[in-house]
Amino acid sequence: AQTVTQSQPEMSVQEAETVTLSCTYDTSENNYYLFWYKQPPSRQMILVIRQEAYKQQNATENRFSVNFQKAAKSFSLKISDSQLGDTAMYFCAFDSGYALNFGKGTSLLVTP
Amino acid sequence: NAGVTQTPKFQVLKTGQSMTLQCAQDMNHNSMYWYRQDPGMGLRLIYYSASEGTTDKGEVPNGYNVSRLNKREFSLRLESAAPSQTSVYFCASSAGQAIYGYTFGSGTRLTVV
Repeated sequence: AQTVTQSQPEMSVQEAETVTLSCTYDTSENNYYLFWYKQPPSRQMILVIRQEAYKQQNATENRFSVNFQKAAKSFSLKISDSQLGDTAMYFCAFDSGYALNFGKGTSLLVTP
Repeated sequence: NAGVTQTPKFQVLKTGQSMTLQCAQDMNHNSMYWYRQDPGMGLRLIYYSASEGTTDKGEVPNGYNVSRLNKREFSLRLESAAPSQTSVYFCASSAGQAIYGYTFGSGTRLTVV
């Protein structure tokens, strides 16, 4: 079974700074998808970014980018120019072929 | 607006009561899912339905049953609620291929007392 590990339960960053959230996963598959989801206090699950394993290039969505290291099975999320609205839980997720497997999440607080 | 609709949004049950959580999607997605979210545990898969007429157990299926009523609707039933089932429940859907992503409902906060 695939497992997803987020080793940082809580993180804090000042507004306008850059923060990196870590995620590692375990799988024997060669082709798969990885996701980062944001969950603000509203509880809604919002897709931040996705990465296809067979693509070498790291995915980028505006201020959000990933550092995908396939050999190391690492998938970290970098948030640049942090904003107060980035305060949320962030979940790393692995697509197992039939559903998403989630990590336990990282609670990110952006302070003024 | 297109998406996944869950009802109810909040519910309080007494131990031993039964209830059904409803979920409907209007995106013509083949696959639907039920997750539960507990503090410090992330989202864990309860049941999923890869297509109309099929259902399969996920990581934490005990105490739950599901019905894929048609392509749009996927319900989750608690036959005899227990305090351990206090959680936030999310329904999600997908076209069946990861590249298309997953769409989540807004969740149901269930408290069993």
